[in-house]
Amino acid sequence: GQQLNQSPQSMFIQEGEDVSMNCTSSSIFNTWLWYKQDPGEGPVLLIALYKAGELTSNGRLTAQFGTTRKDSFLNISASIPSDVGIYFCAGRRINNAGNMLTFGGGTRLMVKP
Amino acid sequence: GAVVSQHPSRVICKSGTSVKIECRSLDFQATTMFWYRQFPKQSLMLMATSNEGSKATYEQGVEKDKFLINHASLTLSTLTVTSAHPEDSSFYICSAVVMGGEQPQHFGDGTRLSIL
Repeated sequence: GQQLNQSPQSMFIQEGEDVSMNCTSSSIFNTWLWYKQDPGEGPVLLIALYKAGELTSNGRLTAQFGTTRKDSFLNISASIPSDVGIYFCAGRRINNAGNMLTFGGGTRLMVKP
Repeated sequence: GAVVSQHPSRVICKSGTSVKIECRSLDFQATTMFWYRQFPKQSLMLMATSNEGSKATYEQGVEKDKFLINHASLTLSTLTVTSAHPEDSSFYICSAVVMGGEQPQHFGDGTRLSIL
C-alpha cells in the first residue's frame, strides 16, 4: 500500500540532544498525525495537525503541518531515554471513506544516556 | 478518553488453528474500526476497514475469507484469522474512530500472533 516518505529511518543520539524528523508526500493531506510506538504495543497519538501551516506543541514535542499540505515535521527537544521508540507520521484525506490513514515508514529513535 | 482495548495480547498456536482477536472501544462508540498488520521493523499496513452493521472493506491483496471481520456493535470488532499458517505470524493492531468527526484514530495495544 501507499506510504509516506519518512526520514530519517533511524537516529542514535545523545541524551539532551534535539531530534527532528519529517514526512513528505506527493499527495495533499487534510490532517497530519504523529504517533509513537513502543516495542510490543500499539501506536500512541502524540500530535494532530488539522490546518496547513499549523504549528502545535505537546511538551517537548513540536510538529508542523506544511503549507503545501504535502509535508510535516516533528521535533523533540532535550531528548530523554524514554523518548526511545518508533515514531510514525500519518496523513489523512478528507474524502477518504472511513477516515483512512496513510503511514510513513517510521523513524526509530535510540537515545544514549 | 478514547481508549481502545485489544485482546488477546499474544497468541501462540499450531498451524491450522483459527484465531479470534477482539477490539473494543471502551469509552466511546466507534462506528468505524480498522485492522492493521505490522511485520518486524516495518510500518502499519491497513488490512481492512470495518463499519458497524455492514461488511468490511478489504485492502487489495487481503483475503476476506482468510481474515474474517465482524463489527456487530458500536464498541466491538473482531478479526478471525482462519486456518492460520506460519506466514500469518505478525503483529495485528486495531484502531477505532467516530465517523464524521475530526477525531484521529486511536489504537489498541496489538496482538502478537505466532503460528508454529
